[in-house]
Amino acid sequence: QSALTQPASVSGSPGQSITISCTGTSSDVGSYNLVSWYQQHPGKAPKLMIYEGTKRPSGVSNRFSGSKSGNTASLTISGLQAEDEADYYCCSYAGSRPYVFGTGTKVTVL
Amino acid sequence: EVQLVESGGGLVQPGRSLRLSCVASGFTFDDYAMHWVRQAPGKGLEWVSGISWNSGNIGYADSVKGRFTISRDNAKNSLYLQMKSLRAEDTALYFCAKDLSGGDYVWDGMDVWGQGATVTVSS
Repeated sequence: QSALTQPASVSGSPGQSITISCTGTSSDVGSYNLVSWYQQHPGKAPKLMIYEGTKRPSGVSNRFSGSKSGNTASLTISGLQAEDEADYYCCSYAGSRPYVFGTGTKVTVL
Repeated sequence: EVQLVESGGGLVQPGRSLRLSCVASGFTFDDYAMHWVRQAPGKGLEWVSGISWNSGNIGYADSVKGRFTISRDNAKNSLYLQMKSLRAEDTALYFCAKDLSGGDYVWDGMDVWGQGATVTVSS
């Protein structure tokens, strides 16, 4: 089960927008609208930020948004804040495989 | 308060077995699929196994298939992971997580997570 591909790191200044990509295949990201995104601060459990590609759970800031094009899903953080500095993981339902995480992206707020 | 609490982790020798438990509270446990996700020290998240609300749909990562068994007891609001033939590469923090859906056909996002149970496989 190959992991979905994410950039190792992304950085931005406070107030800027950044986008994290998550590249899969036609067997996972491309086939299902079931991509979720998680934020994980050091020593903490992951937190669900986006599910079903574009939906935000209650309580998650609207600065976080998700999208998908073909086999690539994306997470955009707008109005970057210091508290957004964390690791981010995408995850996709993958049919017979059946569930796969991305490689993870470290977001740094400059 | 919605909560998941894992237990059963520890130090175990290679080749031995260990059983993790996860007790849920604050939500209707038997409405939702559940998962085990692990994170090796300094590494990323890896999905391990998932089980639907009624245990009718079960899946495993290739890395644990044939060695790990997931199960649940809805009467006890509990999720389990029986791990056999443990290897050094199974050393990780194991999280229990709740799915957004019942998991009959697909897995959705995981919206509630425990704090994890540490499993160390070493001689």
